[in-house]
Amino acid sequence: KNEVEQSPQNLTAQEGEFITINCSYSVGISALHWLQQHPGGGIVSLFMLSSGKKKHGRLIATINIQEKHSSLHITASHPRDSAVYICVDWWAIEVGAQKLVFGQGTRLTINP
Amino acid sequence: DGGITQSPKYLFRKEGQNVTLSCEQNLNHDAMYWYRQDPGQGLRLIYYSQIVNDFQKGDIAEGYSVSREKKESFPLTVTSAQKNPTAFYLCASSMGKTAANVLTFGAGSRLTVL
Repeated sequence: KNEVEQSPQNLTAQEGEFITINCSYSVGISALHWLQQHPGGGIVSLFMLSSGKKKHGRLIATINIQEKHSSLHITASHPRDSAVYICVDWWAIEVGAQKLVFGQGTRLTINP
Repeated sequence: DGGITQSPKYLFRKEGQNVTLSCEQNLNHDAMYWYRQDPGQGLRLIYYSQIVNDFQKGDIAEGYSVSREKKESFPLTVTSAQKNPTAFYLCASSMGKTAANVLTFGAGSRLTVL
C-alpha cells in the first residue's frame, strides 16, 4: 500500500519568512504533484515533477527519488499564500493502471 | 476560458434522498475523477472514468453512482445508501491517464445532510 505523509500538518509564520513543507511517500512514483487549496475549497495544481527541481515565482518544488521525499518551498511568504498545500503521489500499480494517493494536506497561515 | 464547472456549490439533502452533483469540463480531457474530502483527511477517490461510457470504482465507491455518456460530463449521484454523505466533493480531469498529465480541479460542491 502506498502512503503519503506530509509535515507539518499546520504551519503558522510571519510574512516574509521562508516556508518548507515536506512530503514523503512509501512506494515509487510516476510523478508527484503539489496542489494548493484555497479557503473556499478550489484547488490549483502548482507543480508536477518526477525528478530534480522546479521553480515558479516564489515557489520551488524539489524531489529526491532515492529518499522518496519532496519539499515545497515558499520564499518571501505573503498572507495570500495562506492555503492548504497537498502532495499527491501518482504511481503506477500495474501496466496501464495508475493511482493517485493524496497526502492529508498542510494548512499554512501567513500573518502580516 | 477552459475549465471544470461543478454545481451546485452548496447542497442540502434530507436523509434518504438521492442527489446528483454536476461536473462539466470544456478542456477536451479524456479522464475525469470524483474525490471526496473530509476534514483532516486527504482526498479519496470515489469513481473515475478514462473514456466515454466506461468508469471504474475508486477506493470509496459504495453508496455512489456515476455515468459518462459524454466526454464533457461526469455526474455523481450520492444515493441514500451512502451512510455519511456530508462532505466536500471535488471533480477533476486530466488529458490522459498517465502521470505526465496535469490535474485540473473544479471548485467543489459541499453537501450537507440534514
